[in-house]
Amino acid sequence: AQSVTQLGSHVSVSEGALVLLRCNYSSSVPPYLFWYVQYPNQGLQLLLKYTSAATLVKGINGFEAEFKKSETSFHLTKPSAHMSDAAEYFCAVRGIMEYGNKLVFGAGTILRVKS
Amino acid sequence: NAGVTQTPKFQVLKTGQSMTLQCAQDMNHEYMSWYRQDPGMGLRLIHYSVGAGITDQGEVPNGYNVSRSTTEDFPLRLLSAAPSQTSVYFCASSYGQGDGVNYGYTFGSGTRLTVV
Repeated sequence: AQSVTQLGSHVSVSEGALVLLRCNYSSSVPPYLFWYVQYPNQGLQLLLKYTSAATLVKGINGFEAEFKKSETSFHLTKPSAHMSDAAEYFCAVRGIMEYGNKLVFGAGTILRVKS
Repeated sequence: NAGVTQTPKFQVLKTGQSMTLQCAQDMNHEYMSWYRQDPGMGLRLIHYSVGAGITDQGEVPNGYNVSRSTTEDFPLRLLSAAPSQTSVYFCASSYGQGDGVNYGYTFGSGTRLTVV
């Protein structure tokens, strides 16, 4: 079955430290890839997306992600964490061939930022 | 503001009761979907629709029905509520063709359902 794997259900970083949230997908054809963020008691907000135009994608709030076909990965990074980044982050994939054009989510990673 | 509107925001049901979660979008999106969110499991697809009159099952469809009589509306019906259906439900919509697929999904703000 096609799947999205997010390594680490919880990640804790200090304020000012690098944020790295990992996402791997299974697909023989590069799909469309997305990162969503969910703040407590809120809906999902699109952070960034990969649509094959460029392998390094910049999103909102200083986040970026790099698509690596050879590793089937789309890890999310931010050079310096801020307290306001504390949230749950979801990686998602969408592809016509193997996901039937549906949006499939990983299990999510909760980011905690320590002062 | 344009977007996806879900009602109600909160609901408590007794086991065996039925209800309908409403979802409406005003962006003329072809695709609409219902997800449920449970801790540690991400968002799981319940049902989806690729256009008016067309619906299909997702990953966890049991206990839920949907219909799509118009492009704008995609209600989710719980037939006989069970405690296992306690969850947060999100409706989402998207373009389905061409470059629109790039845009991802737009999500509603969610319905928090508790079944006692």
